[in-house]
Order: sequence, then C-alpha cells, then structure tokens
Amino acid sequence: DIQMTQSPASLSASLGETVTIECLASEDIYSNLAWYQQKPGKSPQLLIYDASSLQDGVPSRFSGSESGTQYSLEINSLQSEDAVTYFCQQHHDYPYTFGAGTKLELK
Amino acid sequence: QIQLVQSGPELKKPGESVKISCKASGYTFTDYAMHWVKQAPGKGLKWMGWINTYTGKPTYADDFKGRFVFSLEASASTANLQISNLKNEDTATYFCARSEPGDWFAYWGQGTLVTVSS
Repeated sequence: DIQMTQSPASLSASLGETVTIECLASEDIYSNLAWYQQKPGKSPQLLIYDASSLQDGVPSRFSGSESGTQYSLEINSLQSEDAVTYFCQQHHDYPYTFGAGTKLELK
Repeated sequence: QIQLVQSGPELKKPGESVKISCKASGYTFTDYAMHWVKQAPGKGLKWMGWINTYTGKPTYADDFKGRFVFSLEASASTANLQISNLKNEDTATYFCARSEPGDWFAYWGQGTLVTVSS
C-alpha cells in the first residue's frame, strides 16, 4: 500500500498568514494527489486534484504543488473559515490512501 | 444539482447487520463509480472500496473483505453498503463519494453514523 505521511498534524496561524501543509508519498504517485477540507461534522470537500488543479468554486487562495513525491497545499491570506482539518489522498493506486490529517487553528 | 443523500444514523448491537443507502441525483447514476469511505470518531479517512455502477462489480480494500458488501439499486440511483456481524470497531461515519474520471472525489454524501454498542 502507498503510505501518505502528512505534516504537520496541527498548525496554528494568524489571519492573513500563508500556511503550507505537506504530504509525502511512499512511492511515485504521478501527481495523482487530491486535497480535501473537512469541517466538523461535515463531509470532506475537494479543494485540489491532480496535485495542482483547483476544483471549481474553490477560492484561489488555495493552491497545490509537488516536488518529487512531496506534495504541498498552500493557503494564502488565511481566513477564519479556513481553520478546519485538511487531508491529502493519493488516487494513483488501490487501495487509495489518505494522509492522517492536519488540524489548522487560528492564533 | 448533483447530490448524494445518505440514510440516517443507526444504533446497532454487536453481531447485528446494518444497511446504509446513498441516493444519487442530478446526474446519470451509471456514468460514475461510487466509493465508500470510513471515518472512525475523531480519526482520519479510510477508503473501503468502490462499486462500478454500470456493471455492479464491487472492489474491496483488504480490510473490508468479508463482512462488507457494496450493492446497487440502479433503477433508484442508489448505492448501498451492508455490514454484517457488526463489531465495536465498526462504529464510524460512513461516506459515499462519487469519483470523477481520475478517481478524486468531488461529491460526497453527508455521512451516516453507525454506532455499535451493547
């Protein structure tokens, strides 16, 4: 199985800051990486797919990038509604696997 | 608009069975696969597998072989997840999710909480 090591597990930042969340794949997943945002008690919402493609309707302050097997989600100009949990998911090979999640909090 | 509406919360005893439904609307049901994802309380997401909504063929992740069954009521645009011989560790919210051609999940059901307790 492909392991997705997501870091950090938690993150504290101020409004307006830029934050970065990372996922390291245990093998090459050929950019088949998605990022989701999950609010408490809700289902995940797709932010990014194919490592860097922004899902329709998602604010442009969210962006994705990659370097080898390291994938990053950057959130610019942090808003209060961004203080929730984020997951990465590889959609390259079965079983699809998710990172453990990053809980983003406001300072 | 595209919607996936799941059945309501369930409270079951160990050893019982449960069936969760996921009704799709706003698109042609058989054009997109349906996946299932488990989230234990306070935990992360775990992919359970998927069902081909055109052929009805299910594919299960290793941890979900045996007691878990994916099925369809295609005429009703509904995908089902049945779990038999429930165990305490099956307590979780189960999500259905429609996969796009590249297998990312743009549409999710609202989740169904299954609580297993004696």
